[in-house]
Order: sequence, then C-alpha cells, then structure tokens
Amino acid sequence: DAKTTQPTSMDCAEGRAANLPCNHSTISGNEYVYWYRQIHSQGPQYIIHGLKNNETNEMASLIITEDRKSSTLILPHATLRDTAVYYCIVTNAGNMLTFGGGTRLMVKP
Amino acid sequence: DTGVSQNPRHKITKRGQNVTFRCDPISEHNRLYWYRQTLGQGPEFLTYFQNEAQLEKSRLLSDRFSAERPKGSFSTLEIQRTEQGDSAMYLCASSLDKSSYEQYFGPGTRLTVT
Repeated sequence: DAKTTQPTSMDCAEGRAANLPCNHSTISGNEYVYWYRQIHSQGPQYIIHGLKNNETNEMASLIITEDRKSSTLILPHATLRDTAVYYCIVTNAGNMLTFGGGTRLMVKP
Repeated sequence: DTGVSQNPRHKITKRGQNVTFRCDPISEHNRLYWYRQTLGQGPEFLTYFQNEAQLEKSRLLSDRFSAERPKGSFSTLEIQRTEQGDSAMYLCASSLDKSSYEQYFGPGTRLTVT
C-alpha cells in the first residue's frame, strides 16, 4: 500500500469549512484513497473514498488532484462533533487498512 | 442491524493469564478484520477472515495470538500468556465482501495487562 503523509493537527472554527490535506505520491493506478475518522474512545468510522474523480456524500467531499498524488477532505460546515482524528489511507478495495498517525482536527466554538 | 459488537468492552488481566475477546460482525458480512491500537497511534492490522478462512496474518500476530471464525459468523481473538505490551484497544471490523470499500468498526475491547 502507498504511504500517506498528513499534518499532525489542525484547528477549525465551528461553522467553517475544514480542509484536511493528504499526500500520497506513491499511489498506484488501482489504489483508492479512503478517509476514516476516529472520535475519542470509538472505533474508526468510514467517511468517503475515491479513485480519480472528486466525490461528495452527506458527510464530506473528497478532492483528488489530477496526478492523484494528493487529496483534500472537505467538511463543509464543521461542528464540534467533527472533532476527531482523521486518517487518509491508500489501498485496494477489500484490503486491510494501513493507518498512519492521522490529523487531529479540533473544531473550536 | 445494530452494527459490529465486541465483548467485553474492557478487560483487566494479570500478566501470564489468557484472555479471549469476541466480535460479532454485521450479519451477512463475509469479511472480518482484527486491528490493535495503542495509545496515541493509529490502528494496526492483525488478521482477517473471508467467511471462516483466515486469509492473512500480520507479523504483529505472534504465536501467543490466535483468531478463529468457526462458522463464518462471530470471531474470537485469544491471547495466551499475556504480557504488559499486549495492553491496547483491540478493534474488530467487518465488510460485506472482498470488493467492499467500507469497513464497519466495532467499539473495541480495551485490554489492560497488569
């Protein structure tokens, strides 16, 4: 699986968009970009995934650069409940997930 | 559907004792994964099953660890002769099949070895 690099921590004001970057320069052609988050004391929760195109669901949007070497997870209107560790993972569908250190997002009132 | 459940939620044991954890995946999910998470780190993969077959094991899974999924439904993870380094959160996840994109995680079992 390709390695990912994420900032260790980020802050965001409540109600504003949170933009979480991820670098995955060694991604291979058939690997997907996944985002999971883990709220304190809970198991990780799937957010979104994509291959090449930008994706949007009820939780977030995923923007993948044309060369697929980086991506950004966007939470359009962050709430206090979005405070969590966000993990960017690159792998094939069905594979085990290789979690890095993730980004600790703190949403502040 | 109540999601993935894990029991017990917390376990405190003395070094050298054996412990067993149980995971009940979402019904009809063929794949079941075990991960371990230590404080401040992301989860690390341990092993996974496709139905009752154990398909892959991490090098983290020493010979003191054994996992089973006897009828392709629930799974157990046993740790024999526990060590203090085994203290961690043990997470279970399930997915529908090998082409599924999403893994559903349980709440985890927190093991403390004293």
